[in-house]
Amino acid sequence: AQTVTQSQPEMSVQEAETVTLSCTYDTSESDYYLFWYKQPPSRQMILVIRQEAYKQQNATENRFSVNFQKAAKSFSLKISDSQLGDAAMYFCAYNNNDMRFGAGTRLTVKP
Amino acid sequence: GAVVSQHPSRVICKSGTSVKIECRSLDFQATTMFWYRQFPKKSLMLMATSNEGSKATYEQGVEKDKFLINHASLTLSTLTVTSAHPEDSSFYICSASRAGRGTEAFFGQGTRLTVV
Repeated sequence: AQTVTQSQPEMSVQEAETVTLSCTYDTSESDYYLFWYKQPPSRQMILVIRQEAYKQQNATENRFSVNFQKAAKSFSLKISDSQLGDAAMYFCAYNNNDMRFGAGTRLTVKP
Repeated sequence: GAVVSQHPSRVICKSGTSVKIECRSLDFQATTMFWYRQFPKKSLMLMATSNEGSKATYEQGVEKDKFLINHASLTLSTLTVTSAHPEDSSFYICSASRAGRGTEAFFGQGTRLTVV
């Protein structure tokens, strides 16, 4: 079974600074998809960024980028120029036929 | 992005009764829908995967007779919590995907179920 591990229950960043959230996963598959989702206090899940495993190039979406290391099965999320609105729970997810989530990291942004 | 509507957003029911939660894809056909349960300050735990027109696939430890899932059309899946008990109180979230492995999942707003 695939597992997703987020080893940082909580992270804190100063506004305008950069923070990196860690994620590792375990799979025997070679073709899969990885996601980062954000869950604000409203609890609505919001897609942040998506990475296809067969693509070597790291995905980027504005201030959000990933460091995808397939051999190491690592998929970290970097948030640049952090904003107060970035404060939320962040979940790393693995998708082959169904989507599995890590335990989540609660990000606090300090003004 | 696509829209998934989940209803109701909140429900309180008496112990022993059943409650139905609906998950609708409003602007796309969802071949697969997923149901998750989220405990306070915890992650989303996959309960079951449903494909339109076929029986749902339940995760180990999830009682299929308690959590009835129906995916009768490409735009609607329902989760019925039967004979609810206080320990079933939780936040339930559905998600839907278009055809194609690995495509983005679109999430409903979630349903907070309280069993009293």
